Amino acid sequence: AQKITQTQPGMFVQEKEAVTLDCTYDTSDPSYGLFWYKQPSSGEMIFLIYQGSYDQQNATEGRYSLNFQKARKSANLVISASQLGDSAMYFCAMRYTTSGANNLFFGTGTRLTVIP
Amino acid sequence: KAGVTQTPRYLIKTRGQQVTLSCSPISGHRSVSWYQQTPGQGLQFLFEYFSETQRNKGNFPGRFSGRQFSNSRSEMNVSTLELGDSALYLCASSLAPGSSTEAFFGQGTRLTVV
Repeated sequence: AQKITQTQPGMFVQEKEAVTLDCTYDTSDPSYGLFWYKQPSSGEMIFLIYQGSYDQQNATEGRYSLNFQKARKSANLVISASQLGDSAMYFCAMRYTTSGANNLFFGTGTRLTVIP
Repeated sequence: KAGVTQTPRYLIKTRGQQVTLSCSPISGHRSVSWYQQTPGQGLQFLFEYFSETQRNKGNFPGRFSGRQFSNSRSEMNVSTLELGDSALYLCASSLAPGSSTEAFFGQGTRLTVV
């Protein structure tokens, strides 16, 4: 069975510092995609970054980068130079691409608080 | 380019009533998926539509149904509402099933059942 684990219910980071949010996954499917989303208190899920299981390079999008360690089945999100606006819930999600299905399996999330 | 639009944003319904939520995907996107988010269960997949056909369904009772129109807009319906249906309902839009490297969500519809 597929499973996404986010072991950090809450994290604190000083403004302008970097922070790593952990995500591990469990799958025997060779083809999958990993997503990170940010959910502020307004409720909208904001897409941050994507990593495909066959991608050779770690994905980066601005201040966001994904530390993809396939053998360890981890896909940690690194946010550099944290800003107050980064305070939100962060969700890791996985989608199996072999089956052609489009549904995402989500972790339980990590609440990030940026301290001024 | 407009994002994913969900209407209404907020809804209050009484137990036993039914409700219809709407989702308009990003222009050009043909795959729409629905999710339910609650504090206790987290984010759970409801169903996915592509080309007006339901392709995939999560583990929800038959009171939850949906459809997709030819313009890719999707609706989900919940009949005989229960208190436990109170949740944030999110819709996600993708170009096509399985191959997209992006999946964009709307702002959600917050349903409260009293």
